[in-house]
Amino acid sequence: VLTQSPATLSLSPGERVTLSCRASQSINHYLAWYQQKPGQAPRLLIYDASKRATGIPARFSGSGSGTDFTLTISSLEPEDFAVYYCQQRATWPPLTFGGGTKVEIK
Amino acid sequence: QVKLVESGGGVIQPGRSLRLSCEASGFSFNRYGMHWVRQTPGKGLEWVAVTWSDGSNAEYGDSVKGRFTISRDNSNNTVHLQMNNLREEDTAMYYCARDLGHASTWPTNWLDPWGQGILVTVSS
Repeated sequence: VLTQSPATLSLSPGERVTLSCRASQSINHYLAWYQQKPGQAPRLLIYDASKRATGIPARFSGSGSGTDFTLTISSLEPEDFAVYYCQQRATWPPLTFGGGTKVEIK
Repeated sequence: QVKLVESGGGVIQPGRSLRLSCEASGFSFNRYGMHWVRQTPGKGLEWVAVTWSDGSNAEYGDSVKGRFTISRDNSNNTVHLQMNNLREEDTAMYYCARDLGHASTWPTNWLDPWGQGILVTVSS
């Protein structure tokens, strides 16, 4: 089970953001982060805990291993307000997702 | 560029069957595993199924195992999801997604990119 916290974050552009994803058991580094904007499909940001997907800006970074993982956005841009999901592949099937964290404009 | 377009959704009665399709373009389809993922407001994102790049294997989520079948037609760059014995709880937006890797037939299980989704509503 992947638990994301907090459920909602209210922030201003330019702020630094730290999102958390906690696994109920060790998943090594087998974690990804996705971004989903309203009316759109999710988009892969980070995989293997810290590798940026193609075309993802450097302000997005991932870290962690075992059970605790973090997605950091160094300086929020207006287009970054969205819902963020984590996903694990360590113990599959099934692949599982966290419940999401909504980053909203303060 | 990579494009995934889902079709086949709609309103269907419980117990009936529906077949979703996802047409791919812009990449070597036969080199990538393909996934289906669904999303509901209440349950969030739920992985449904994956097919290996050569179609030799497939895996399913627990809630659809035995009712849904994923298949692919590499000659037509299409992946399908056959959904039988549909239940109201199968109501969701269904996305197809490409697996990230192509180095082997075994999927990486990272999903990139995703199609725009197709809505399935199961209701009497």
